[in-house]
Amino acid sequence: GDSVTQMEGPVTLSEEAFLTINCTYTATGYPSLFWYVQYPGEGLQLLLKATKADDKGSNKGFEATYRKETTSFHLEKGSVQVSDSAVYFCALRGAGTASKLTFGTGTRLQVTL
Amino acid sequence: DAGVTQSPTHLIKTRGQQVTLRCSPKSGHDTVSWYQQALGQGPQFIFQYYEEEERQRGNFPDRFSGHQFPNYSSELNVNALLLGDSALYLCASSLVGLAYNEQFFGPGTRLTVL
Repeated sequence: GDSVTQMEGPVTLSEEAFLTINCTYTATGYPSLFWYVQYPGEGLQLLLKATKADDKGSNKGFEATYRKETTSFHLEKGSVQVSDSAVYFCALRGAGTASKLTFGTGTRLQVTL
Repeated sequence: DAGVTQSPTHLIKTRGQQVTLRCSPKSGHDTVSWYQQALGQGPQFIFQYYEEEERQRGNFPDRFSGHQFPNYSSELNVNALLLGDSALYLCASSLVGLAYNEQFFGPGTRLTVL
């Protein structure tokens, strides 16, 4: 079945540091890929998405590129802020599975001054 | 524009009891999906409702059931609660027919089973 593997956290960075959170997936066909963010006490918010190979999703300075050859969708940001502290989830929607999302276990990011 | 709302916010039950959680979708949305998020884990898909019918189901036992009403709101019912059912239950709504039907998530209901 479909699965998503994320790097374990927590990831602790100083403000303005470069961020990478690794995500790899297993799926048949051509899934759509997503990054969601969860702030404390809140639900999930869609951060960015990519629906086909080589697409780059971007939002709020975050980027991720859909790499089919390596089955990866790594999240990057050039300069993190304290306000980026949250839990980040990589997810996929398999081809032909309507809206069902399969999530990774999440990576907690803590940014300090 | 109200987003996805869920009630109650928190709930405490004992083993063997039954619980009902409620979700109102974002205005204009017609599809509701439910997810279970155990502590420190990613959300797991329970099922999805569209046109008042269960359209897709994840790997959850029959103790988990649901319903969708004509106004698109939804309920999640869990019978014979187990300690392992303690989790954050998330509701997500979307609109069928869009090329990309993004799911919008509610804040969740925190269920504790003692």
